Amino acid sequence: EPEVTQTPSHQVTQMGQEVILRCVPISNHLYFYWYRQILGQKVEFLVSFYNNEISEKSEIFDDQFSVERPDGSNFTLKIRSTKLEDSAMYFCASKTSGSTDTQYFGPGTRLTVL
Amino acid sequence: GENVEQHPSTLSVQEGDSAVIKCTYSDSASNYFPWYKQELGKGPQLIIDIRSNVGEKKDQRIAVTLNKTAKHFSLHITETQPEDSAVYFCAASIGNTPLVFGKGTRLSVIA
Repeated sequence: EPEVTQTPSHQVTQMGQEVILRCVPISNHLYFYWYRQILGQKVEFLVSFYNNEISEKSEIFDDQFSVERPDGSNFTLKIRSTKLEDSAMYFCASKTSGSTDTQYFGPGTRLTVL
Repeated sequence: GENVEQHPSTLSVQEGDSAVIKCTYSDSASNYFPWYKQELGKGPQLIIDIRSNVGEKKDQRIAVTLNKTAKHFSLHITETQPEDSAVYFCAASIGNTPLVFGKGTRLSVIA
């Protein structure tokens, strides 16, 4: 069964450093998402991406964040200058199309900012 | 925007008993309601979903009910097993909008 994959599984970085989190969505999917989950809290939406552009973003997704689909398979989240409060699990999700299609989540990247 | 409330935050049941988790949503335009199971250190895995044109859906030991008038939906797990222990999240969305999640329920099934 196709899966969303994410790398790395765990990223440790120093405050102020740039990080890039990578995702490979399911191959025939057209909508892509990043969510984050601070330890013990609920999953929060960051950004959605469709047709090579951002379709929606939350208040969390400020100028420090960017997304890119550099080729036909990868979908990346970049944090330019990490802060301590960026420490969280970051989940990528994708879906095919249609208003009520299921979003499939990857296993997540645990980002630790020191 | 949409707001999803989920109760209870923790739930302990004896193996073999049923578990019920309830969620309410605020936006009557929401039309898609998935439930995700999250095991420790893993991403959310879809276990069942329901769309606004039906009131109930069942898949083996798992069922979801939706009351559009009251704007609430519930997850029912029957004959619980230890492997059902996890955090369960409800969510809601409208069309292609992002999922809005509840705060989660930690289910513990005691053998």
